[in-house]
This record gives sequence, C-alpha cells and structure tokens, in this order.
Amino acid sequence: EPEVTQTPSHQVTQMGQEVILRCVPISNHLYFYWYRQILGQKVEFLVSFYNNEISEKSEIFDDQFSVERPDGSNFTLKIRSTKLEDSAMYFCASSFRGGTYEQYFGPGTRLTVT
Amino acid sequence: GQSLEQPSEVTAVEGAIVQINCTYQTSGFYGLSWYQQHDGGAPTFLSYNALDGLEETGRFSSFLSRSDSYGYLLLQELQMKDSASYFCAAVNYGGSQGNLIFGKGTKLSVKP
Repeated sequence: EPEVTQTPSHQVTQMGQEVILRCVPISNHLYFYWYRQILGQKVEFLVSFYNNEISEKSEIFDDQFSVERPDGSNFTLKIRSTKLEDSAMYFCASSFRGGTYEQYFGPGTRLTVT
Repeated sequence: GQSLEQPSEVTAVEGAIVQINCTYQTSGFYGLSWYQQHDGGAPTFLSYNALDGLEETGRFSSFLSRSDSYGYLLLQELQMKDSASYFCAAVNYGGSQGNLIFGKGTKLSVKP
C-alpha cells in the first residue's frame, strides 16, 4: 500500500540554525500539507500546497517557514532560524483531491531545538 | 476563533461501546473527520461526515448534526488495540483547498 514517507525521523538542531524536513507524498496525490504537533498537544495545520504554490497557511506559518516541491517527488519544509518553541513533531500529509477529508499522514519528523 | 471541543480522556472495557463527542465552532465548515493516533504514531483517517446523519464503517460509526455543530465517533466491540487518541477534525474551507482543524484529542484506554 502506498504511503507518505518523511526524513529524518528525528532531527536535533541548535537554536538559530536552519533545518529542512523532507517528505515524499503518495505518488498520484496532488495536494500536500504540513502539520505540527507539540508533545501532548493537538495537531496544528501549518500550510497546504497545490500546483506548486501555497494554497493556505495558518498563523503559525510565519516568515521563518517556507515550503518547496523541488522535484516531482519531494515536498520540503524549511525553518530558517529555529527557536526553542519550534520543537515538535512535524507531519507531512497528502491527498488526491483538494479539500478532501481523507489525508494520508507520514510518520513524522521529531524536531528538537536546543 | 476556531475550536473543537472533545473530552480529554475516556476509559472503557473490552467488548463495550464508547462514544466520543465533539462540538465545533469554525468558519468555513465543510465536514467533520475523525482520526486515530497511537502513541508515537501518525494520525490515520477513520471516517468523515459531510452530511447530517450516521456513517458506518465496520466497528466504527460517526455522526454529524450541522444544526447543533456536533458530532460523535462511536466505537463498538472495543478491542485492546483501540487504545489510542482520537481526534475530531473540521474540514475547513478558509481558502481554495481546505485544511483540517483538529480538536485536542480524546485518549481512549481500553481495559480487559
């Protein structure tokens, strides 16, 4: 069964450093998302992406965040200058249709900022 | 603001039935989804309601009442493997694509 993959599974970085989280969505999906989940809290929407541009973004997704689809398979989230409060699990998700209820989530990247 | 409220914890025994309620207050509401998340795992899709009424998928059913801004997830014949967190998520059209606004989750503990 096709699945969303994410690398790395765990990333440790120092405050102020840039990180890039990588995702490979399901191959025939056209809509891509990033969510984050601070430990013990709810999943929070960050950004959605379609046709090589951002469709929607939340208040969390400020200027330090960016997304890119550099080739036909990868979807990346860049955090330019990490802060302690960026420590969280970051989930990538994809869906075949837009606005769809059924999004497929990757296993997540745990980001720890020290 | 946009919010979804659900109980933080529920405990039940194997074989029982449990209902997890969710009330929502969102703009651009399109439908209500339910996701399951085991500890350390990714959310996985369980069900979705766009219309009022009951949707049944095996042991799980989900209900939506738009007029009451309310929905629930019903789990029947509980098994130990059902111990997990369950999130209701509003499918929200803030723009052109829609995104998921999650509740805080209900931690279900199934005991023998």
